[in-house]
Amino acid sequence: DAGVTQSPTHLIKTRGQQVTLRCSPISGHKSVSWYQQVLGQGPQFIFQYYEKEERGRGNFPDRFSARQFPNYSSELNVNALLLGDSALYLCASRRQQGMADTQYFGPGTRLTVL
Amino acid sequence: DAKTTQPPSMDCAEGRAANLPCNHSTISGNEYVYWYRQIHSQGPQYIIHGLKNNETNEMASLIITEDRKSSTLILPHATLRDTAVYYCIVRVASNNNDMRFGAGTRLTVKP
Repeated sequence: DAGVTQSPTHLIKTRGQQVTLRCSPISGHKSVSWYQQVLGQGPQFIFQYYEKEERGRGNFPDRFSARQFPNYSSELNVNALLLGDSALYLCASRRQQGMADTQYFGPGTRLTVL
Repeated sequence: DAKTTQPPSMDCAEGRAANLPCNHSTISGNEYVYWYRQIHSQGPQYIIHGLKNNETNEMASLIITEDRKSSTLILPHATLRDTAVYYCIVRVASNNNDMRFGAGTRLTVKP
């Protein structure tokens, strides 16, 4: 089975611009989460979607938004980009295993804001 | 979610077992222990998880103490490709719960 896929791989934007990142979960997974990883730190949770509904939100400003489509793919949008938004953006899809669930991460999108 | 404490870095000789410790003294009864690793600039890779029993899969073994306040991830025969940052995460395994990553342990496998 194909893993989680993300596009684009790399992206360069300038301050004030808007960006859209895309994620396709593993086939059969209905939940997608987004994370931001700044250089030298662990990933930080941004959003979780399940069955097209937002189920969780991390401590990020309203400039960050996301949505999930009927085929369970997802988009993360960031408006009014700041230099501090430069990071690796990770998408994870979730599989329920009995009483536990496991998240599988994609390769990420490296965003550079100049 | 319970907080975890991991050493910032560890070294291991190639071919030897790598034992990565994690303390989670405030873990609750319904919280699982998860281990992920991240090789430079790649997405985190799931390794293993457990509740209270020891677990083993093709990648590693997870040993959880009887009081569940600490655990050890064991890579039985470390290779250079196991060099990565290893994250121990404790969380309630529900659909609404995200993963809270700390700083992890940077494992360096040396020839």
